[in-house]
Amino acid sequence: GQQLNQSPQSMFIQEGEDVSMNCTSSSIFNTWLWYKQDPGEGPVLLIALYKAGELTSNGRLTAQFGITRKDSFLNISASIPSDVGIYFCAGHSTSGSRLTFGEGTQLTVNP
Amino acid sequence: AAGVIQSPRHLIKEKRETATLKCYPIPRHDTVYWYQQGPGQDPQFLISFYEKMQSDKGSIPDRFSAQQFSDYHSELNMSSLELGDSALYFCASSLASPLAGGPYEQYFGPGTRLTVT
Repeated sequence: GQQLNQSPQSMFIQEGEDVSMNCTSSSIFNTWLWYKQDPGEGPVLLIALYKAGELTSNGRLTAQFGITRKDSFLNISASIPSDVGIYFCAGHSTSGSRLTFGEGTQLTVNP
Repeated sequence: AAGVIQSPRHLIKEKRETATLKCYPIPRHDTVYWYQQGPGQDPQFLISFYEKMQSDKGSIPDRFSAQQFSDYHSELNMSSLELGDSALYFCASSLASPLAGGPYEQYFGPGTRLTVT
């Protein structure tokens, strides 16, 4: 089946630093979504991308839909302690209504 | 704003028992999705429903079944539970099924933590 490769698996940064993570796939996706999940909670939608090349911001978060439609990245600027959590990319293709998730990036922010 | 509601939040069952998980989508959302997330894993798609009809099916065991009711809430029924079924089960909802040309943004509930002993 389709797979999304997300990297890095984990990041340890200092408060105020910028963060970048990305997802790649061997398949084309029509939609890329980025979620944040806190322990024991449901994923929270951060950003949705619908068009190849699209660059979208949500506060300190910026995400882009790759031109090839096979990748996406998420940047977090000026990180703060509440940014701690697991960030998942998710893609939606034309086959079915499911989301395929990346393996997640565990972000730790040291004050 | 109203979010997806799931009940119960926690459930403990013994092997071979049955469990029923309930999901109440965001008001006006007509599509629900079920995902299973094991410890340290990403969510895995199980099944989805649009307008009370199954719209997509993933890696859902035959021991599991689900349906969507006329008020759009959904229930996931799990029978002959196994230790490996212990996981977080998430329901998500969206405004319209992608199959119907609608948006693709899925909003997740808080999950049901199922523990099988």
